[in-house]
Amino acid sequence: QKEVEQDPGPLSVPEGAIVSLNCTYSNSAFQYFMWYRQYSRKGPELLMYTYSSGNKEDGRFTTQVDKSSKYISLFIRDSQPSDSATYLCAMNTGNQFYFGTGTSLTVIP
Amino acid sequence: GAGVSQSPRYKVTKRGQDVTLRCDPISSHATLYWYQQALGQGPEFLTYFNYEAQPDKSGLPSDRFSAERPEGSISTLTIQRTEQRDSAMYRCASSLGSSVQTQYFGPGTRLLVL
Repeated sequence: QKEVEQDPGPLSVPEGAIVSLNCTYSNSAFQYFMWYRQYSRKGPELLMYTYSSGNKEDGRFTTQVDKSSKYISLFIRDSQPSDSATYLCAMNTGNQFYFGTGTSLTVIP
Repeated sequence: GAGVSQSPRYKVTKRGQDVTLRCDPISSHATLYWYQQALGQGPEFLTYFNYEAQPDKSGLPSDRFSAERPEGSISTLTIQRTEQRDSAMYRCASSLGSSVQTQYFGPGTRLLVL
């Protein structure tokens, strides 16, 4: 079993939709929970991170962490075509980072 | 520099050859990571450096893989006697030592072993 599981999609939504992306994990020692966005042929770019359980909001993006269920989510409100990318969750113990496989998202105008 | 840079961007080599990939991190960043990313997968941790020290190389797949950061800035990843299964994107990332959760990734080196 992988440390971090993420549905690869692909996910296709109309512009303006609310998008929900999810990851599950098995290691209760994970400290930070991160979401990265990766455009085609580019490196991953950090979107948001959180340390604790609960919700954290940044503009149209909200991350949710449930440590008791070992489940994290990223919500995108009012999705835009420019949000079309692969979204990767990541978590760490110290300086070791574990990434999900990424979910490919397409927002259709 | 303004961001993390990597060279070459693409490398095609024949099986059995050695290759060396280079990473130039953001200048103020103490910590540097190497990842391997297969197509359709997330990055897989290989190793990391804190300045010139290499505290963890547990992710290196075999002893054919080695990495250096002799002066605590530029790093190289060397793969000896390359095999076809080594074909992947190799990504470097750097972070301030105090903000381990905030990594900045380079554009990657696409390695193809024929």
